[in-house]
Amino acid sequence: GDSVTQTEGLVTLTEGLPVMLNCTYQSTYSPFLFWYVQHLNEAPKLLLKSFTDNKRPEHQGFHATLHKSSSSFHLQKSSAQLSDSALYYCALSDRTGGYKVVFGSGTRLLVSP
Amino acid sequence: DMKVTQMPRYLIKRMGENVLLECGQDMSHETMYWYRQDPGLGLQLIYISYDVDSNSEGDIPKGYRVSRKKREHFSLILDSAKTNQTSVYFCASRRNNNQAPLFGEGTRLSVL
Repeated sequence: GDSVTQTEGLVTLTEGLPVMLNCTYQSTYSPFLFWYVQHLNEAPKLLLKSFTDNKRPEHQGFHATLHKSSSSFHLQKSSAQLSDSALYYCALSDRTGGYKVVFGSGTRLLVSP
Repeated sequence: DMKVTQMPRYLIKRMGENVLLECGQDMSHETMYWYRQDPGLGLQLIYISYDVDSNSEGDIPKGYRVSRKKREHFSLILDSAKTNQTSVYFCASRRNNNQAPLFGEGTRLSVL
């Protein structure tokens, strides 16, 4: 079945340094990929979604590139801010019409001054 | 306003009691989901609903059942709650499979 792997449970950074959160996936068909962000005691909110073409989605300074050859959709930002501290989930949705949305285990990002 | 609403937001129950978690959406989305969130495990899918009275087990359905009698409303039921069902439960909905699900604010359930 489909699966999403986020290898880092916790990433700690100093403000201003670049961010990279890893996401790899397994899927029978080319899926849609998503990144969600969840702040403390809030709902997960959509941050980015992969496009059907090669466009690179960007939002709030974050971007992610879908690499089908390596089955990856890593989340990146050039300069971390204190407000980026949150839990980040990578997720996939089967493009063939399946209804399931599978989430990774999440990566907590802590940005310090 | 596009929104998924969950009630209640906080709930404390004793082991063996029945629990009803409710979820509503105002977007006429066909597909709705129930997930639970536990530290280190991420969001685990409990049930999916494709439309009224059309539901399917997710990855961890044991100990749960669902009800969807109206498109805008999806309930999660725990018959005889157990302490290991203490968790945060999220409901989500979406219109089709190229959209990202929209989540409610969650229900924090404690089973003592």
